[in-house]
Amino acid sequence: DVQLVESGGGLVKPGGSLRLSCVASGFSFTNAWMTWVRQAPGKGPEWVGRMRPKVEGGTTDYAASVKGRFTISRDDSKNTLYLQIDSLQTEDTAIYYCITFRNGWFWGQGTQVTVSS
Amino acid sequence: EIVLTQSPGTLSLSPGERATLSCRASQSVISPFFAWYQQKSGQPPRLLIYSVSSRASGIPDRFSGSGSGTDFTLTISRLEPEDFAVYYCQQYGTSPCTFGQGTRLEIK
Repeated sequence: DVQLVESGGGLVKPGGSLRLSCVASGFSFTNAWMTWVRQAPGKGPEWVGRMRPKVEGGTTDYAASVKGRFTISRDDSKNTLYLQIDSLQTEDTAIYYCITFRNGWFWGQGTQVTVSS
Repeated sequence: EIVLTQSPGTLSLSPGERATLSCRASQSVISPFFAWYQQKSGQPPRLLIYSVSSRASGIPDRFSGSGSGTDFTLTISRLEPEDFAVYYCQQYGTSPCTFGQGTRLEIK
């Protein structure tokens, strides 16, 4: 079964940084496009960015709202996707999910990021 | 980016009734890259429908999806008590993938 487990969230002051992790299992992570999505309280989900598998260049795309502050990376040896978040702003407060498409979209349980002074 | 507008914002129905939820896209969605989710408080979104009309694993057949171009519909044929939740639509044919703002389905 496809499983995605996020971790690394927490309470951070504005301007701070966090690194989120997503450990994947149950599918070929090496060949998978991986995506980060976030959901602010009371809002619909918002696409944050994605990373292609290394065999397709390993390149990344980001939402305009996070470009330059967020960095997605992956360690295929650990089946792990990362999201480095810098210069955190209060509007970054959300649950962050990693998701992947394997004949349907699979989501993790998410990790809460709260930005507050 | 493609903006998805869901209607109605809130739908009040009784168990046993039929629910019809709509999602309209600001431009044509590349077929068949469209999905529907159900979300309950404190849980991640649960995939119901992908590829416009394919039910995800374990989803009861009272849930069905249809549509093309800019107009998509999720139908719940006979509401069960556990169906009352928030529903989101998603298009993933054009980057960035986008989501609707949600329809709250509440018990009348």
